[in-house]
Amino acid sequence: AIQLTQSPSSLSASVGDRVTITCRASQGISSALAWYQQKPGKAPKLLIYDASSLESGVPSRFSGSGSGTDFTLTISSLQPEDFATYYCQQFNSYPPITFGQGTRLEIK
Amino acid sequence: QVQLVESGGGVVQPGGSLRLSCAASGFTFSSYGMHWVRQAPGKGLEWVAFIRYDGSNKYYADSVKGRFTISRDNSKNTLYLQMNSLRAEDTAVYYCAKDLIDGSGSYTLGYWGQGTLVTVSS
Repeated sequence: AIQLTQSPSSLSASVGDRVTITCRASQGISSALAWYQQKPGKAPKLLIYDASSLESGVPSRFSGSGSGTDFTLTISSLQPEDFATYYCQQFNSYPPITFGQGTRLEIK
Repeated sequence: QVQLVESGGGVVQPGGSLRLSCAASGFTFSSYGMHWVRQAPGKGLEWVAFIRYDGSNKYYADSVKGRFTISRDNSKNTLYLQMNSLRAEDTAVYYCAKDLIDGSGSYTLGYWGQGTLVTVSS
């Protein structure tokens, strides 16, 4: 199964900061990658699909890039509601669909 | 609007069985592939199973293969997960999720329900 490694596992940032989260695949997955946001006690929410396509209704401060094995999620200017845990997920090779271990974004 | 409502969770002894349901509304259920994903307490997300829109293909994680069965009733707009031979490590919140696109699917989880907690404990 393809493994996804996110870095960092956690980070602290301030409102207004630009933040980048990285997801690395154990083998090439083309652009078959999605990003999700999960707030405590809530279900995950799709942010980005096909590595760089913004899901409808998601603020434009979120963006995704990458292909092959290296991907990034960028939040251009952090807002208070963005503090959450973020997961990447690959769907190039299934089953299984696999997720990264998550990146917890906390307020500094 | 899309709604996915899971039910059927609870406390069960090791070796026991449980059937989860996911009632769907707000979209054409029979046109979309559906997934189950779980999250152990304080842990990350683990994909469990997928079923094609017409039920013709089903895929499972190795950790549940042979013990769990995914199914659907398109006439009732409902997804199911039959869980047998439950183990302590199956303790988790179980989410149903709708595939992002209709037809054969994208294996991107476009919308998630709020989840139902399954606890396996004696």
